[in-house]
Order: sequence, then structure tokens, then C-alpha cells
Amino acid sequence: DAKTTQPTSMDCAEGRAANLPCNHSTISGNEYVYWYRQIHSQGPQYIIHGLKNNETNEMASLIITEDRKSSTLILPHATLRDTAVYYCIVRVGGGTASKLTFGTGTRLQVTL
Amino acid sequence: DTEVTQTPKHLVMGMTNKKSLKCEQHMGHRAMYWYKQKAKKPPELMFVYSYEKLSINESVPSRFSPECPNSSLLNLHLHALQPEDSALYLCASSQVTGTEAFFGQGTRLTVV
Repeated sequence: DAKTTQPTSMDCAEGRAANLPCNHSTISGNEYVYWYRQIHSQGPQYIIHGLKNNETNEMASLIITEDRKSSTLILPHATLRDTAVYYCIVRVGGGTASKLTFGTGTRLQVTL
Repeated sequence: DTEVTQTPKHLVMGMTNKKSLKCEQHMGHRAMYWYKQKAKKPPELMFVYSYEKLSINESVPSRFSPECPNSSLLNLHLHALQPEDSALYLCASSQVTGTEAFFGQGTRLTVV
């Protein structure tokens, strides 16, 4: 299984961009990178995913390096409501054996 | 309707009790999941159902028994649990296995 490495915690000032890094150096060519977040006491929330191209949606942008060994999730204008644990996950397996295995995540604290 | 609904929200049970957790979605998703989350830890995958068939069992003890009676419902039957099984149990669904998953708010289980 491709493992991910994330910083344990990060701080970000409200209104600034939050850049959350993730290393996945053992990723295989057909494995997707997914990002979820979990606000305290709630279920995880899907943010974005990608394979090799950069992706953007209404919540965030995902930048994947050309060698695919790392990626960065960007929240362009962080707010207090973005305070959460952010998980970078590599989807492993295919078909009915496909699964998302959570790593330890990054606790993002957005401050005034 | 983009919700995954879990009931009950809280459950306290004795070690000799039998109880069930329920999960429901009406998004037409054909993959459903059970995760277990201990305090300050990431969610751990327990079971995956694909088209109502069990496709992944992550070596979960037999005191946890999943059931998928139809494409909208997922149950987790519990019996003879131990205090260390106390955790937040999360249900999720996705269109098919491996695609972005939607999570419920979880059932907080306490075994006494």
C-alpha cells in the first residue's frame, strides 16, 4: 500500500492561503491521491482528488508534482471554519478491492 | 439528497448485549463502507460492500457482523463487545468502490 506522510500540525491566519503538503513517494502510476478533512466530531468530508494533473474545485486546489511523489492541497482563503484534520490518502487497489486508507493527517488551525 | 444517515447517534451497551448500527443512503451508490475511529486517531476501514456483496473484511473480529440487505442500507450487528471497542463508527458510501465517499456523522458507541 502506498503510504503518505503529512506534517502533524500547521497554523494559518484567516484570509491567507493554507498550503498542506503530502509525501507519497511509493505511489504507483494508476493510484489516485484523495484529500478529505474532518472537523471535530463530524464525519470526514471529501475535498478533492487527482491522478497527475492539477485539479481545482470550489473548495480547494490540488497540485501534484510531475513525478507524483508529493502533492499540496491549497485552501486559497482560509477561514475559521476550515480548522480541521486534513487527510491525504492514496487510493489502493482496483475494482471491488479498491479502498481508501487514512493516514495520521495534518491538524490545521486557522487563527484570527 | 447527498446525505448518509446513521442511527443511533449515541449508543451505550453492555458486554452481553446485542445491538445494531444502521446506515442509509439514497444517492444510488453501490459501494458502502464501515470505518471505526478511536479518539485522536484516523478512521480505520472495517468492511467494504460492493453491489450488496462483501468485498473487503479487514480482519475484523467476528463480534462485528455486517449486513447489506439492499443497495440503500448497511447494518453493523454487534454482540459480546469489549470496552476497547468503544469508538466512533462511521458509515460511508460511494458511487462504486474507490470513488469519492460521502460519510455519515457516525455512531458514538460506548461499551460498559
